[in-house]
Amino acid sequence: SQELEQSPQSLIVQEGKNLTINCTSSKTLYGLYWYKQKYGEGLIFLMMLQKGGEEKSHEKITAKLDEKKQQSSLHITASQPSHAGIYLCGAETDAGGTSYGKLTFGQGTILTVHP
Amino acid sequence: KAGVTQTPRYLIKTRGQQVTLSCSPISGHRSVSWYQQTPGQGLQFLFEYFSETQRNKGNFPGRFSGRQFSNSRSEMNVSTLELGDSALYLCASSPGYGNQPQHFGDGTRLSIL
Repeated sequence: SQELEQSPQSLIVQEGKNLTINCTSSKTLYGLYWYKQKYGEGLIFLMMLQKGGEEKSHEKITAKLDEKKQQSSLHITASQPSHAGIYLCGAETDAGGTSYGKLTFGQGTILTVHP
Repeated sequence: KAGVTQTPRYLIKTRGQQVTLSCSPISGHRSVSWYQQTPGQGLQFLFEYFSETQRNKGNFPGRFSGRQFSNSRSEMNVSTLELGDSALYLCASSPGYGNQPQHFGDGTRLSIL
């Protein structure tokens, strides 16, 4: 099984709807990162979460970290076609600051927003 | 500030050849990580360099190697190419210390014929 499980694998919503993407780790999380990717392009950094209960927001996107559940959620409010793309969670799962540039990624969630 | 630059953007090779990919990090970043992205396996960590030293390595065969120069630019080399090496290769840079996110380049799309 995957070290990082994302759900759902794909999501189709109507413009204006809210949506949530989840990322669950089978290992202890030492840092959780959310990225967005357009097909065939690089990853765009969205947010970084490090402490249990931490919540960050940028424009209409909010991310939370539940340390006890080893889970993070990404919530988009009032979705727009510009939100469409692939959302990836990446995590540092090596203890003691030994990740050294290694992020483990989920399989990604493909988001389609219909106008 | 200029972002992470990867060259070339596209590359076509045949089996058995070797290839070198280049990555220029964001100015001031000393850590460069490399990843392979395929539809089947997703994003997988290859290795990370900091101040010209490899600090971490993923589970890839020895055909995959890298290096980093004193200006923090990094290269990745794949020898004896196989069909399964077809992928998007991404590099990411970060300061390399403290809790800082990685910033990614647009990748090099490698196709093996």
